[in-house]
Amino acid sequence: SQQGEEDPQALSIQEGENATMNCSYKTSINNLQWYRQNSGRGLVHLILIRSNEREKHSGRLRVTLDTSKKSSSLLITASRAADTASYFCATDGYSGGGADGLTFGKGTHLIIQP
Amino acid sequence: DAGITQSPRHKVTETGTPVTLRCHQTENHRYMYWYRQDPGHGLRLIHYSYGVKDTDKGEVSDGYSVSRSKTEDFLLTLESATSSQTSVYFCAISPRVQETQYFGPGTRLLVL
Repeated sequence: SQQGEEDPQALSIQEGENATMNCSYKTSINNLQWYRQNSGRGLVHLILIRSNEREKHSGRLRVTLDTSKKSSSLLITASRAADTASYFCATDGYSGGGADGLTFGKGTHLIIQP
Repeated sequence: DAGITQSPRHKVTETGTPVTLRCHQTENHRYMYWYRQDPGHGLRLIHYSYGVKDTDKGEVSDGYSVSRSKTEDFLLTLESATSSQTSVYFCAISPRVQETQYFGPGTRLLVL
């Protein structure tokens, strides 16, 4: 079943603008991860945020996590054409430490217009 | 891609034939995973492994089997391929549970 759901499904902005994507999930988690996928390629890991963290930064990326609302957001600042990709949130299964793999949302397709 | 390769990268096969996809890692990570990616579904977990000869089912395991006889190799087998198994298959690895997973480049499988 789908755990994470990204919003919006598609986003088109001008180069230099900020892009914000949201992810909602349903059950308790240990951590939440964001991945990027360029067309026809594999997934690239961006950030992992743990359930006891509220905010995390990596370069132009900022991720927030609100466990009370079961939601996360990914902010990309000063967007570039190379940021054009699909972005996925993924949650781990809260199963007492089991290696159940990740549950992915359907992704947000981000297009950066030059 | 964190030392992960998948083979073949592309495959076309016919309904009813067996197919084996291979994931090979050079990172010595304990955990390995197989996912499939389909339009409208995102990525879904097929099977995973938590050590040599230790495997378990994921969300969409019907019609698939796996084997892991060495740390570095995780094989996904479609015993009798069906058109519904046309998909892009990704392997992922992780050093520990609840840690970052690193993905391979994917295998595009078309079942006619």
